[in-house]
Amino acid sequence: GQQVMQIPQYQHVQEGEDFTTYCNSSTTLSNIQWYKQRPGGHPVFLIQLVKSGEVKKQKRLTFQFGEAKKNSSLHITATQTTDVGTYFCASYSSASKIIFGSGTRLSIRP
Amino acid sequence: EAQVTQNPRYLITVTGKKLTVTCSQNMNHEYMSWYRQDPGLGLRQIYYSMNVEVTDKGDVPEGYKVSRKEKRNFPLILESPSPNQTSLYFCASSLSWGRSNQPQHFGDGTRLSIL
Repeated sequence: GQQVMQIPQYQHVQEGEDFTTYCNSSTTLSNIQWYKQRPGGHPVFLIQLVKSGEVKKQKRLTFQFGEAKKNSSLHITATQTTDVGTYFCASYSSASKIIFGSGTRLSIRP
Repeated sequence: EAQVTQNPRYLITVTGKKLTVTCSQNMNHEYMSWYRQDPGLGLRQIYYSMNVEVTDKGDVPEGYKVSRKEKRNFPLILESPSPNQTSLYFCASSLSWGRSNQPQHFGDGTRLSIL
């Protein structure tokens, strides 16, 4: 079945450094959503990308959807302690299922 | 306030004792879903429902049942729980499904321990 691979599993950075997480699929994705889960919390929707090559920005966060719609990335510039959490990508399969990546847990040294 | 409400938040029970985790949303959403979250495995979809009386299996449906008799409610039923179902469970809903730009709204989660 469709799978979405997400790397890295963990990332520990110094506050102020950049952070990137990547999602890759062997099949073409119709869209991709990104969620953030704070420690002890529930996933919260960040953004959805639909178009090939799409790039969207939210303040220090930049989201990209690959030209072939098989990969996506989330980049955070100059991380802050409020960015701590686990970031997930997710996509709908053709059967209306939702497939989540395994997540990237971001921790930050103040 | 728009929300997805799950109950209970925490439950410790024993193998074989039937349990139900309730989920209710007040946003008139069509699509509802149950996930389990395990370390290193992310969120895996158990069952989903595209509307009333329409349910289908996700990636890990074994050992679970669901029903969607009303639009707002989507309970998760474990008829005979086993220790491998110990996990953190999330219910989520979205206005619709598929290609349209509809984010999922998640409940606060239910931490289930089966001894």
